[in-house]
Amino acid sequence: SAVISQKPSRDICQRGTSLTIQCQVDSQVTMMFWYRQQPGQSLTLIATANQGSEATYESGFVIDKFPISRPNLTFSTLTVSNMSPEDSSIYLCSVAGLAGQSSYNEQFFGPGTRLTVL
Amino acid sequence: DAKTTQPTSMDCAEGRAANLPCNHSTISGNEYVYWYRQIHSQGPQYIIHGLKNNETNEMASLIITEDRKSSTLILPHATLRDTAVYYCIVRVVYGGSQGNLIFGKGTKLSVKP
Repeated sequence: SAVISQKPSRDICQRGTSLTIQCQVDSQVTMMFWYRQQPGQSLTLIATANQGSEATYESGFVIDKFPISRPNLTFSTLTVSNMSPEDSSIYLCSVAGLAGQSSYNEQFFGPGTRLTVL
Repeated sequence: DAKTTQPTSMDCAEGRAANLPCNHSTISGNEYVYWYRQIHSQGPQYIIHGLKNNETNEMASLIITEDRKSSTLILPHATLRDTAVYYCIVRVVYGGSQGNLIFGKGTKLSVKP
C-alpha cells in the first residue's frame, strides 16, 4: 500500500485568500487525484493531477479556482483560490498505480485537509 | 451521478455478519464493482472489488449476482471498528486503464455492542 501525507491537516482561512494543500506519497505512483468532501456529503472528484501537463478537471471545477501542480511522481499540490465559505470542505488526495504494480485496481486516499473559510 | 443504489443506513450487532446490499442494474460488461469504506474523519479505505465471480479477502467477501445487477458486501464478524460509511462503486476497466472512482452517498453501518 501507499502512505500518503497531506499538509496542512486543517486550516481556518479568511474569505478572499488562497490556500495551497500539499500531498506527498512514500512511493512513486502513476495517478494522483484530488477530491472534495463537503460537510455531510460524499466525495466529489475535482481533478486528475498529471505529471508534466495540465490537470484534467471534472465538470464544475476550473483551473483558475483550483490550480494543481504535479512536479514529480510522488508530490502534488492543490490550491483553493479566492476562497469563500462555500469552499469549506475536506480536501483529499488519492493515488493509484504504485510502482511495480500492473494495474490501478487499488486506489489509496490521504487523511484529508479540513478547510474552514470564514 | 453514481450508478449504484444503497440503503442509507444499517445496524448490525457486534460479532454478527454484516450484509450490505448494492444495486447496479445498469452496469456494463467492462465495469467492476468496488467497495470502499470511510471511518469518521479518515480518508476512504479500499475493501474489495470484483467483476462477476465472488471474491474474498482478509476484510470481507463480495457476492455478485449472476446477472451482475446487484451485489452484497459481507463482513463476517462485525466489530465496533467496522462502524463506517460503506461505498459501492462501479468503475470502468478497459485495456490498461481504469475509470475514475465516482462516490455515491453510501450506507452508514452502525455496529452496536
